[in-house]
Amino acid sequence: GENVEQHPSTLSVQEGDSAVIKCTYSDSASNYFPWYKQELGKRPQLIIDIRSNVGEKKDQRIAVTLNKTAKHFSLHITETQPEDSAVYFCAASEDSGGSNYKLTFGKGTLLTVNP
Amino acid sequence: DSGVTQTPKHLITATGQRVTLRCSPRSGDLSVYWYQQSLDQGLQFLIQYYNGEERAKGNILERFSAQQFPDLHSELNLSSLELGDSALYFCASSKKLAGGPNEQFFGPGTRLTVL
Repeated sequence: GENVEQHPSTLSVQEGDSAVIKCTYSDSASNYFPWYKQELGKRPQLIIDIRSNVGEKKDQRIAVTLNKTAKHFSLHITETQPEDSAVYFCAASEDSGGSNYKLTFGKGTLLTVNP
Repeated sequence: DSGVTQTPKHLITATGQRVTLRCSPRSGDLSVYWYQQSLDQGLQFLIQYYNGEERAKGNILERFSAQQFPDLHSELNLSSLELGDSALYFCASSKKLAGGPNEQFFGPGTRLTVL
């Protein structure tokens, strides 16, 4: 089955700096890669996603890049703000048929943005 | 608010007991996924239902079972509870769309504590 590795497990940056979180996946059939943000005690919320036919996607201060050959994808947050502090999860999913689109998650990155 | 509801929010019970967690998906979503989140295992996929039928199983113990009813709500049954079953249980829902996996919307979760 799919295995998703995520690094680093913790990341501390100064407000205004950029943050980069990296993930690798093992199953070349995976074709959908979402990133979720989870605040303490809350539900995971999708912040950006990318499909395997796209190399990069941006949404304001957030961008995701995908390298299918190397089987890795990264989350980039620019101009970080204290409210960006949370745990970020990457995930991978494949269309294995029959509407089975389970997500395999990385272990998460605790991002702390210091004012 | 994602539109996915889960009850109860918190559940405290004793080892050996049985509990039922309930999830109502977003209006129009046919797929329901159950995930377990614990400190040591992270976010792990348990089981998926699509329009009343089981579609995929992940790391779900034999003591756990689920079903999806005609009104599309789903229940996760956990029996013979052990201390290690203490975790946050999330359900997520998504539509069936052409083109493969798409965003899963997570509910607020049920925090299960087994004493």
